[in-house]
Amino acid sequence: DGGITQSPKYLFRKEGQNVTLSCEQNLNHDAMYWYRQDPGQGLRLIYYSQIVNDFQKGDIAEGYSVSREKKESFPLTVTSAQKNPTAFYLCASSFGQGVSEQYFGPGTRLTVT
Amino acid sequence: DQQVKQNSPSLSVQEGRISILNCDYTNSMFDYFLWYKKYPAEGPTFLISISSIKDKNEDGRFTVFLNKSAKHLSLHIVPSQPGDSAVYFCAASFSGGGADGLTFGKGTHLIIQP
Repeated sequence: DGGITQSPKYLFRKEGQNVTLSCEQNLNHDAMYWYRQDPGQGLRLIYYSQIVNDFQKGDIAEGYSVSREKKESFPLTVTSAQKNPTAFYLCASSFGQGVSEQYFGPGTRLTVT
Repeated sequence: DQQVKQNSPSLSVQEGRISILNCDYTNSMFDYFLWYKKYPAEGPTFLISISSIKDKNEDGRFTVFLNKSAKHLSLHIVPSQPGDSAVYFCAASFSGGGADGLTFGKGTHLIIQP
């Protein structure tokens, strides 16, 4: 089955620790994205990558880092510099060319205390 | 400033009736619009989209209307079913595809009452 997987579903960390969220897709999509959702808010774009070994900052990139070494994988690191890291994180992918909707993974709920 | 606005946080509709969800945008450069449905603690699911060259797109019970002059779009669900109860997000993109990421509204929580 083709799709996007994110792991783990729930993640707990102590303040001051970096944490990496996994995102894998087998849809053969070129583009991948990370969004963050807070209660009562829409999704906000953190980072995106249109092609392997290239990525761009989104609207709220501060305190986050990404890598895109493989087409299938786009891990997100939440660093200790992120002031409000507790949120629901969503990964998405798309063909990235022309008109193309984005498909989302199931999300990771990160709680930092 | 919010570029995509969904001004109704929630909407309650009786089963079998029409649900109309509204969305306004401020950036005239947006040229592709999408609607997503989301259940709690899950990722959004794509529903339907519309390009700025069209004013209507239909897919089964779902129809999206686009009024470019008013910078307004709406999603119609007919007839509404209990499984339609979810949060609906409107999203917009530039350059015809969202390769640069989507801009989302805050969502409307649709509640279908039996």
